[in-house]
Amino acid sequence: DSGVTQTPKHLITATGQRVTLRCSPRSGDLSVYWYQQSLDQGLQFLIQYYNGEERAKGNILERFSAQQFPDLHSELNLSSLELGDSALYFCASTEGLAGREQYFGPGTRLTVT
Amino acid sequence: AQKITQTQPGMFVQEKEAVTLDCTYDTSDQSYGLFWYKQPSSGEMIFLIYQGSYDEQNATEGRYSLNFQKARKSANLVISASQLGDSAMYFCAMRELNTGFQKLVFGTGTRLLVSP
Repeated sequence: DSGVTQTPKHLITATGQRVTLRCSPRSGDLSVYWYQQSLDQGLQFLIQYYNGEERAKGNILERFSAQQFPDLHSELNLSSLELGDSALYFCASTEGLAGREQYFGPGTRLTVT
Repeated sequence: AQKITQTQPGMFVQEKEAVTLDCTYDTSDQSYGLFWYKQPSSGEMIFLIYQGSYDEQNATEGRYSLNFQKARKSANLVISASQLGDSAMYFCAMRELNTGFQKLVFGTGTRLLVSP
């Protein structure tokens, strides 16, 4: 158990809908990262937050957004969902900005039908 | 730009034997970190081992060791005395340490199957 929690574990929704994925980092970790794992794109970095502020952006679509709250949990919002958004979404956390290992949560499997 | 290449889509090994999973990387940065993660069929990503670009010795963590050859830009994972529970996907990843970006760049993975 990495100490990072993600809810829900599974999510099935229809095209055009909006969903919110939630992540709680390990106790004391200030940095949260979101990754997407899909069959065609592999594992890709989406976005990083540090202590409530956005720090880095990767291949994140404009339809996707994220935020980190004062209690350090983070949410990834996916809107106008398309079939191609079906993927496993991971959250990871590190203690500081340059933490060595990123500890991954169990992931949320999103299926868009 | 950073790039990780894993050329072995699948590997087979018998229980108790050693296996090497290949990873090559490309970066223009002098300071970087290399990681290996394991992803079992249940889906979670488990951190295995880390090697810093300035570390002089190869990293080891129990049955895992990282064969780091900086000049060849390779960071192969060696699993000794394979166990059935080692059957999983294995991902090599890299992070450049001098940039403001903390993202991990992953390879495409190698599926390891350990047979009795």
